[in-house]
Amino acid sequence: EDQVTQSPEALRLQEGESSSLNCSYTVSGLRGLFWYRQDPGKGPEFLFTLYSAGEEKEKERLKATLTKKESFLHITAPKPEDSATYLCAVLPLGKMEYGNKLVFGAGTILRVKS
Amino acid sequence: NAGVTQTPKFRVLKTGQSMTLLCAQDMNHEYMYWYRQDPGMGLRLIHYSVGEGTTAKGEVPDGYNVSRLKKQNFLLGLESAAPSQTSVYFCASSSLTGGPLRGQYFGPGTRLTVT
Repeated sequence: EDQVTQSPEALRLQEGESSSLNCSYTVSGLRGLFWYRQDPGKGPEFLFTLYSAGEEKEKERLKATLTKKESFLHITAPKPEDSATYLCAVLPLGKMEYGNKLVFGAGTILRVKS
Repeated sequence: NAGVTQTPKFRVLKTGQSMTLLCAQDMNHEYMYWYRQDPGMGLRLIHYSVGEGTTAKGEVPDGYNVSRLKKQNFLLGLESAAPSQTSVYFCASSSLTGGPLRGQYFGPGTRLTVT
């Protein structure tokens, strides 16, 4: 069964204190791994897609990396506006013809204090 | 370009009542999805559609029905609401031609409470 586990469930950082969020996955084959940001009361917003082990993507203070079993979302010198829930999702191989169904993790709630 | 919109934003139902949630997208996406989001459980797929006139069951379809009569609209129906259906519902869409690897675009959500 395809599964995505995110850790920690919640993370509190001081402004400027860098850290990483983890997304570990179990799939028969990986077509793509996605990171989303979700602000309270809003829908998830797409951040990155990673396709293969070793790949990295960056956007402002965020950098996503991928290995064969997990992905990390590194947050460098975070600011209070980075506070949000970060969701990880995978698209297993063979699922594209069935509507590109994603498997989501439960998310990590990030709070950055000034 | 509004992206994905959902109506209503909030709704309170009594057990046994019915309602329909409407999702609309203006990006000409082929695929559309309905999810529910509950604390600690992440997003779970209820139903999805790969094109106009076609729908399929997701992970948690029981108690829900869907219809996609027009490409831009995807409706989620609750025929007889139950307290277990209290949740936040999200609609999403994605492109076939752009491939699945650009991700799904989500609406703002509908917060439903069933008493």
